[in-house]
Amino acid sequence: DAMVIQNPRYQVTQFGKPVTLSCSQTLNHNVMYWYQQKSSQAPKLLFHYYDKDFNNEADTPDNFQSRRPNTSFCFLDIRSPGLGDAAMYLCATSRERDPSYEQYFGPGTRLTVT
Amino acid sequence: GQNIDQPTEMTATEGAIVQINCTYQTSGFNGLFWYQQHAGEAPTFLSYNVLDGLEEKGRFSSFLSRSKGYSYLLLKELQMKDSASYLCAVMDSNYQLIWGAGTKLIIKP
Repeated sequence: DAMVIQNPRYQVTQFGKPVTLSCSQTLNHNVMYWYQQKSSQAPKLLFHYYDKDFNNEADTPDNFQSRRPNTSFCFLDIRSPGLGDAAMYLCATSRERDPSYEQYFGPGTRLTVT
Repeated sequence: GQNIDQPTEMTATEGAIVQINCTYQTSGFNGLFWYQQHAGEAPTFLSYNVLDGLEEKGRFSSFLSRSKGYSYLLLKELQMKDSASYLCAVMDSNYQLIWGAGTKLIIKP
């Protein structure tokens, strides 16, 4: 049974055309994370929600926004994608921020910018 | 700054043992994680160490020395399906995961 679901798995968008990636979870976890991962690089945390509290990383570009309308869903909005935003976007959840709780990852959305 | 270092790539033979090292410098420490990531897929959790010593879980073991800022992942009886990237990640004092770039492990028959 899928626990962290990301749609779509592959997304192609044009330079400058807004795009939204979605993530849903059936785990009822409090924390949801969005990561950007480029080839052969470490995942880079963009932001996370603890319940409804939004936490933005200091170096996350303003071009990236997020919404969490309820516990189950979280969205990543890229307002004006550039070629450098082509990457795998990973959504993850954890029950709590406490480190003893592992993060569960979705399958990712691979974004291509043309 | 915060830093996680691990080798970029390692090669091992099916049936053998391999040790993947990870050194870290972070602001605070709330545990070290190892994740496995197959190409084009999401990371999956392997282990979590917060105290010094060895944690064994089947064919995989993970070791931590906090005083040395060092961990290793030990994989025994290697199988072809173990070919993947292995990511070391440390949770800092702000409960943020700091990730290494991963070690690509290539298993040869």
